Amino acid sequence: QKEVEQDPGPLSVPEGAIVSLNCTYSNSAFQYFMWYRQYSRKGPELLMYTYSSGNKEDGRFTAQVDKSSKYISLFIRDSQPSDSATYLCACGNTGGFKTIFGAGTRLFVKA
Amino acid sequence: GAGVSQSPSNKVTEKGKDVELRCDPISGHTALYWYRQSLGQGLEFLIYFQGNSAPDKSGLPSDRFSAERTGGSVSTLTIQRTQQEDSAVYLCASSPPGLASEQFFGPGTRLTVL
Repeated sequence: QKEVEQDPGPLSVPEGAIVSLNCTYSNSAFQYFMWYRQYSRKGPELLMYTYSSGNKEDGRFTAQVDKSSKYISLFIRDSQPSDSATYLCACGNTGGFKTIFGAGTRLFVKA
Repeated sequence: GAGVSQSPSNKVTEKGKDVELRCDPISGHTALYWYRQSLGQGLEFLIYFQGNSAPDKSGLPSDRFSAERTGGSVSTLTIQRTQQEDSAVYLCASSPPGLASEQFFGPGTRLTVL
């Protein structure tokens, strides 16, 4: 079993839809949770960064962490074609350096 | 400011040849990471440098892979006697002091071994 599991998709939605992307993890020591967005032939870019449980909102993006169920989510409101990319979740330990990445979910937003 | 840069952006080589991939991290970032990303796969950790400490090489897949970081800045990943299964995108990332989980990635080097 991988430490971080993520459905690879692809996920196809119409423009304006609410998108829900999810990951599960197995290591209860993880304290940091990140979402990266990766456009084709580009490096990943940090989108959201959350410490411990709770919600974090940034514009159309909301990251949610539920440590009791080891479940992390990214919601995208009013999705746009420019949101079409691969979204990778990632988890890290306090004081550690290793970040474990999910396989990424490929998202297509159709105009 | 300038982000993480990597060179070359693309590298095609023949099986058995050695290759060197370069990474220039963001100025002031003390940590530097190398990852490998194969088609449809997540990021596979290869090696980690932090300041002047000994690097963590636990992710290197074989002794054909090595990396060094000179002067706490530029890093070079070397793959000797390349194999076809080494074909992948090699990504470098750096992070600021005390924030190891906030990694900033370069655009990657796409390696193709024929």
